[in-house]
This record gives sequence, structure tokens and C-alpha cells, in this order.
Amino acid sequence: NAGVTQTPKFQVLKTGQSMTLQCAQDMNHEYMSWYRQDPGMGLRLIHYSVGAGITDQGEVPNGYNVSRSTTEDFPLRLLSAAPSQTSVYFCASRQSATNEKLFFGSGTQLSVL
Amino acid sequence: KQEVTQIPAALSVPEGENLVLNCSFTDSAIYNLQWFRQDHGKGLTSLLLIQSSQREQTSGRLNASLDKSSGRSTLYIAASQPGDSATYLCAVRSSASKIIFGSGTRLSIRP
Repeated sequence: NAGVTQTPKFQVLKTGQSMTLQCAQDMNHEYMSWYRQDPGMGLRLIHYSVGAGITDQGEVPNGYNVSRSTTEDFPLRLLSAAPSQTSVYFCASRQSATNEKLFFGSGTQLSVL
Repeated sequence: KQEVTQIPAALSVPEGENLVLNCSFTDSAIYNLQWFRQDHGKGLTSLLLIQSSQREQTSGRLNASLDKSSGRSTLYIAASQPGDSATYLCAVRSSASKIIFGSGTRLSIRP
């Protein structure tokens, strides 16, 4: 059972470069989200989606874009990477608004130099 | 604005002890509260979810309680084992779509 799959696991970027973090789930979940985890700050919500074609901003959306063209995929785009975006990124999904259990991917560790 | 706090940030206990992890939140108007486990370098795994109308949930050696009026939740781990060593995070759903996480308690069980 694949669950939530994130790629890549590690990435190093130079300031100003762009990249896309991939997230895919095979559980037919409606809700998907992206978090970043920084030391001492817990997980902070970047963007989320309640279904294909619907996205919204979380706590820390600046510098990130998302789209949800299919139920399975929810990529996170960094348009112009900055050192402040150095973090561990997690994708999570849950079945619906009424089914609360969150399933997490294994994370992407991103360093921006 | 909802804030979630977990104290202490780290805890070390000998194997076999019962222990309690704490989570506090500032706004009692919540949908539910979840406890997660995170192993080093891994994603999060949901352990227990307590709906706002519930007082506690149990799974094996784990018991989570919720007191909305005081803004507190506890995770009780019975007969701790070295395999319980991990970071434990609590998270509060305070709106239809947003879940706010605490910064976690790093637990170490000494053999």
C-alpha cells in the first residue's frame, strides 16, 4: 500500500531557482495539504485542497504555489527559492472533511543556499 | 488565533515507567484533537483522535484525554518501552480546514 508518496526526499537549491515538490496519494482522498516543519515551530500549513480544482492558503503561503488538477496529485511549487524556505516539507491527506485521520508522506528535506 | 503548546520539549524516562505528555491550546472552540508520533527522519503517524464531544480515547497502551474548558489534553503511555522513543505531536482542528500543530515532545525511553 503506497499511501502518500513524496518526491524527492532531498533537494538542494540555489537562491532564485525554482522547483516542484511532488505529492501523490492512492487512497482517493478528497483533502490534501502541504506543511513545513522547522525546529521548535511544529508543522505550519502552507496550502490545502478540499478537492480537484479547489485550493486555498494556509498559515504561510507566501513564496509557494499549488494546483490540484486531479484527485491523486497535489504538487507544491517554489517559484524563486529563498534561504528562508529551507525546511522539511510534508504532504498529508485525509478522506474527507468528516473523516479526520491524516496520512502523511515521508517528507522532503529542502536546503536553499 | 489558536496556539498549541507542548511542554516539555524533551523527556527521558527509564523503561517500564508510565508517563504523561501534555498539550495545551488557547481557544477551546475546537472540532477535535489528534496525537501523532514522528520517528526521526520520517513522516507523522496518527495515534489517537478525540472529537470535541469526547473526553478520552484509548488504543492499546495509549490513552488520550481532552478537557476543552481548560484547553488541555494529555497522552498517557503505560509501561513504556524503548520502541516508544519518538517525537509526539498534538494537533488541534480549529476550523473546517485548518489543523494547528504543537512543536512536539521528544521522548526517549532508556533501557
